[in-house]
Amino acid sequence: DQQVKQNSPSLSVQEGRISILNCDYTNSMFDYFLWYKKYPAEGPTFLISISSIKDKNEDGRFTVFLNKSAKHLSLHIVPSQPGDSAVYFCAAVTQGGSEKLVFGKGTKLTVNP
Amino acid sequence: NAGVTQTPKFRILKIGQSMTLQCAQDMNHNYMYWYRQDPGMGLKLIYYSVGAGITDKGEVPNGYNVSRSTTEDFPLRLELAAPSQTSVYFCASSYPDRAGNTIYFGEGSWLTVV
Repeated sequence: DQQVKQNSPSLSVQEGRISILNCDYTNSMFDYFLWYKKYPAEGPTFLISISSIKDKNEDGRFTVFLNKSAKHLSLHIVPSQPGDSAVYFCAAVTQGGSEKLVFGKGTKLTVNP
Repeated sequence: NAGVTQTPKFRILKIGQSMTLQCAQDMNHNYMYWYRQDPGMGLKLIYYSVGAGITDKGEVPNGYNVSRSTTEDFPLRLELAAPSQTSVYFCASSYPDRAGNTIYFGEGSWLTVV
Protein backbone atom coordinates (compact mmCIF):
# COMPACT_ATOMS: atom_id res chain seq x y z
CA ASP A 1 0.00 0.00 0.00
CA GLN A 2 1.79 3.06 -1.30
CA GLN A 3 1.24 6.03 0.97
CA VAL A 4 3.31 8.38 -1.17
CA LYS A 5 2.86 8.15 -4.93
CA GLN A 6 4.82 9.67 -7.74
CA ASN A 7 2.92 8.49 -10.78
CA SER A 8 5.30 9.84 -13.41
CA PRO A 9 8.48 7.79 -13.53
CA SER A 10 10.10 10.27 -15.88
CA LEU A 11 9.82 13.82 -17.15
CA SER A 12 11.70 15.59 -19.92
CA VAL A 13 11.79 19.38 -20.32
CA GLN A 14 13.77 21.95 -22.26
CA GLU A 15 16.34 24.12 -20.56
CA GLY A 16 14.78 27.38 -19.40
CA ARG A 17 11.27 25.97 -19.17
CA ILE A 18 9.36 25.03 -16.05
CA SER A 19 9.58 21.51 -14.59
CA ILE A 20 6.61 20.34 -12.54
CA LEU A 21 6.98 17.16 -10.52
CA ASN A 22 3.89 15.78 -8.81
CA CYS A 23 3.32 13.75 -5.70
CA ASP A 24 0.14 12.37 -4.11
CA TYR A 25 -0.30 10.92 -0.66
CA THR A 26 -2.98 8.90 1.02
CA ASN A 27 -2.21 9.23 4.72
CA SER A 28 -3.97 12.31 6.12
CA MET A 29 -1.72 12.13 9.21
CA PHE A 30 1.30 13.29 7.20
CA ASP A 31 2.13 16.80 8.26
CA TYR A 32 5.54 17.49 6.78
CA PHE A 33 6.64 16.94 3.20
CA LEU A 34 10.05 16.95 1.62
CA TRP A 35 11.71 16.67 -1.76
CA TYR A 36 15.06 14.96 -2.18
CA LYS A 37 17.27 15.05 -5.23
CA LYS A 38 19.46 12.15 -6.25
CA TYR A 39 22.22 12.01 -8.82
CA PRO A 40 23.48 8.63 -10.12
CA ALA A 41 25.92 6.88 -7.78
CA GLU A 42 25.22 9.37 -5.00
CA GLY A 43 22.96 9.42 -1.98
CA PRO A 44 19.80 11.55 -1.89
CA THR A 45 20.21 15.15 -0.78
CA PHE A 46 17.57 17.35 0.75
CA LEU A 47 16.10 19.95 -1.59
CA ILE A 48 13.09 21.66 -0.08
CA SER A 49 10.31 20.98 2.42
CA ILE A 50 6.90 22.23 3.43
CA SER A 51 4.83 22.01 6.56
CA SER A 52 1.15 21.15 6.36
CA ILE A 53 0.27 24.54 7.81
CA LYS A 54 1.56 26.20 4.64
CA ASP A 55 0.52 25.90 1.03
CA LYS A 56 3.71 27.18 -0.58
CA ASN A 57 7.41 27.29 0.13
CA GLU A 58 9.99 28.87 -2.11
CA ASP A 59 13.76 28.56 -2.28
CA GLY A 60 15.38 30.18 -5.27
CA ARG A 61 14.32 28.36 -8.43
CA PHE A 62 12.46 25.71 -6.43
CA THR A 63 8.90 26.06 -5.14
CA VAL A 64 6.81 23.42 -3.47
CA PHE A 65 3.03 23.71 -3.42
CA LEU A 66 0.79 21.76 -1.07
CA ASN A 67 -2.92 21.12 -1.59
CA LYS A 68 -4.07 19.36 1.57
CA SER A 69 -7.64 18.84 0.46
CA ALA A 70 -6.42 17.01 -2.63
CA LYS A 71 -3.55 15.34 -0.76
CA HIS A 72 -1.26 16.57 -3.50
CA LEU A 73 2.02 18.40 -3.64
CA SER A 74 4.14 19.56 -6.51
CA LEU A 75 7.67 20.78 -7.04
CA HIS A 76 8.21 23.57 -9.56
CA ILE A 77 11.65 24.30 -10.95
CA VAL A 78 11.92 27.57 -12.85
CA PRO A 79 13.94 27.97 -14.98
CA SER A 80 15.08 24.38 -15.43
CA GLN A 81 18.78 23.80 -15.99
CA PRO A 82 20.66 20.75 -17.32
CA GLY A 83 22.24 20.34 -13.87
CA ASP A 84 18.76 19.72 -12.47
CA SER A 85 18.67 16.38 -14.29
CA ALA A 86 18.33 13.86 -11.49
CA VAL A 87 15.80 11.62 -9.75
CA TYR A 88 13.50 13.53 -7.42
CA PHE A 89 11.92 11.77 -4.47
CA CYS A 90 8.90 13.03 -2.62
CA ALA A 91 8.78 12.07 1.06
CA ALA A 92 6.33 12.57 3.89
CA VAL A 93 6.42 12.21 7.63
CA THR A 94 3.93 12.11 10.48
CA GLN A 95 4.47 13.44 13.94
CA GLY A 96 6.87 11.10 15.68
CA GLY A 97 10.23 11.64 14.13
CA SER A 98 12.24 11.27 10.99
CA GLU A 99 12.37 7.49 11.31
CA LYS A 100 8.87 7.47 9.89
CA LEU A 101 9.83 9.18 6.63
CA VAL A 102 7.95 7.56 3.73
CA PHE A 103 9.37 7.93 0.23
CA GLY A 104 7.74 7.86 -3.18
CA LYS A 105 9.29 5.88 -6.05
CA GLY A 106 10.89 8.92 -7.61
CA THR A 107 10.63 10.83 -10.88
CA LYS A 108 13.59 11.02 -13.22
CA LEU A 109 13.89 14.55 -14.59
CA THR A 110 15.88 15.19 -17.73
CA VAL A 111 16.52 18.79 -18.73
CA ASN A 112 17.63 19.04 -22.33
CA PRO A 113 19.99 21.83 -23.40
CA ASN B 1 34.25 16.89 6.14
CA ALA B 2 33.39 13.20 5.54
CA GLY B 3 29.70 13.16 6.58
CA VAL B 4 28.29 9.64 6.20
CA THR B 5 30.74 7.05 4.88
CA GLN B 6 29.68 3.62 3.64
CA THR B 7 31.85 0.68 2.70
CA PRO B 8 32.07 -1.25 0.48
CA LYS B 9 30.65 0.63 -2.48
CA PHE B 10 30.17 -2.50 -4.57
CA ARG B 11 29.93 -6.16 -3.59
CA ILE B 12 28.88 -9.41 -5.21
CA LEU B 13 27.76 -12.14 -2.85
CA LYS B 14 26.86 -15.74 -3.45
CA ILE B 15 23.57 -17.08 -2.13
CA GLY B 16 23.95 -18.09 1.50
CA GLN B 17 27.01 -15.95 2.18
CA SER B 18 27.04 -13.32 4.89
CA MET B 19 28.53 -9.87 4.97
CA THR B 20 28.51 -6.58 6.84
CA LEU B 21 27.96 -3.17 5.33
CA GLN B 22 29.84 -0.59 7.31
CA CYS B 23 28.55 2.91 8.03
CA ALA B 24 30.21 5.71 9.93
CA GLN B 25 29.25 9.34 10.49
CA ASP B 26 31.33 12.13 11.92
CA MET B 27 28.58 14.65 12.63
CA ASN B 28 27.75 13.39 16.13
CA HIS B 29 24.21 12.57 15.03
CA ASN B 30 22.08 10.55 17.40
CA TYR B 31 19.86 8.99 14.74
CA MET B 32 21.15 6.59 12.12
CA TYR B 33 19.27 4.63 9.47
CA TRP B 34 19.66 1.94 6.86
CA TYR B 35 17.51 2.14 3.73
CA ARG B 36 17.38 -0.03 0.65
CA GLN B 37 16.34 1.09 -2.81
CA ASP B 38 15.22 -1.46 -5.36
CA PRO B 39 15.12 -0.51 -9.06
CA GLY B 40 12.24 1.85 -9.78
CA MET B 41 11.24 1.98 -6.15
CA GLY B 42 11.51 4.46 -3.34
CA LEU B 43 13.69 4.06 -0.29
CA LYS B 44 12.48 1.61 2.30
CA LEU B 45 13.65 1.72 5.90
CA ILE B 46 15.37 -1.46 7.10
CA TYR B 47 16.52 -0.55 10.60
CA TYR B 48 17.15 2.61 12.54
CA SER B 49 18.80 3.67 15.77
CA VAL B 50 18.08 6.64 18.00
CA GLY B 51 21.33 6.32 19.92
CA ALA B 52 24.13 4.00 20.96
CA GLY B 53 22.75 0.71 22.23
CA ILE B 54 19.27 1.30 20.80
CA THR B 55 18.02 -0.15 17.53
CA ASP B 56 14.59 -0.76 16.05
CA LYS B 57 13.06 -2.37 13.00
CA GLY B 58 11.88 -0.41 10.05
CA GLU B 59 9.59 -1.46 7.23
CA VAL B 60 11.71 -4.29 5.75
CA PRO B 61 13.98 -5.78 8.49
CA ASN B 62 13.83 -9.49 7.57
CA GLY B 63 17.21 -10.96 6.67
CA TYR B 64 19.18 -8.17 8.32
CA ASN B 65 20.68 -7.33 11.68
CA VAL B 66 22.21 -4.17 13.09
CA SER B 67 24.14 -3.03 16.10
CA ARG B 68 24.99 0.40 17.48
CA SER B 69 27.84 0.18 19.95
CA THR B 70 29.03 3.75 19.32
CA THR B 71 27.43 7.00 18.18
CA GLU B 72 29.57 6.99 15.03
CA ASP B 73 29.06 3.47 13.66
CA PHE B 74 25.98 1.57 12.51
CA PRO B 75 26.88 -1.64 10.65
CA LEU B 76 24.27 -3.65 8.76
CA ARG B 77 24.68 -7.42 8.75
CA LEU B 78 23.24 -9.63 6.03
CA GLU B 79 22.92 -13.24 7.08
CA LEU B 80 22.40 -15.97 4.47
CA ALA B 81 22.22 -13.64 1.49
CA ALA B 82 19.33 -14.17 -0.93
CA PRO B 83 18.76 -12.78 -4.46
CA SER B 84 15.93 -10.66 -3.04
CA GLN B 85 18.56 -8.68 -1.15
CA THR B 86 20.11 -7.44 -4.37
CA SER B 87 19.67 -3.71 -3.96
CA VAL B 88 21.34 -0.40 -3.29
CA TYR B 89 21.78 0.27 0.41
CA PHE B 90 21.93 3.75 1.88
CA CYS B 91 23.04 4.62 5.35
CA ALA B 92 21.89 7.96 6.76
CA SER B 93 22.11 9.98 9.93
CA SER B 94 20.30 12.91 11.49
CA TYR B 95 19.76 14.98 14.56
CA PRO B 96 16.76 14.00 16.70
CA ASP B 97 14.53 16.30 14.71
CA ARG B 98 11.27 15.40 13.07
CA ALA B 99 12.23 17.51 10.08
CA GLY B 100 13.60 15.22 7.41
CA ASN B 101 15.80 17.97 6.02
CA THR B 102 18.40 17.09 8.62
CA ILE B 103 18.85 13.57 7.21
CA TYR B 104 22.21 13.10 5.53
CA PHE B 105 22.74 10.11 3.27
CA GLY B 106 25.86 8.19 2.37
CA GLU B 107 26.72 7.51 -1.25
CA GLY B 108 25.26 4.03 -1.27
CA SER B 109 26.46 0.43 -1.43
CA TRP B 110 25.54 -1.66 -4.47
CA LEU B 111 24.99 -5.29 -3.51
CA THR B 112 24.34 -8.12 -5.93
CA VAL B 113 23.48 -11.62 -4.71
CA VAL B 114 23.99 -14.37 -7.28
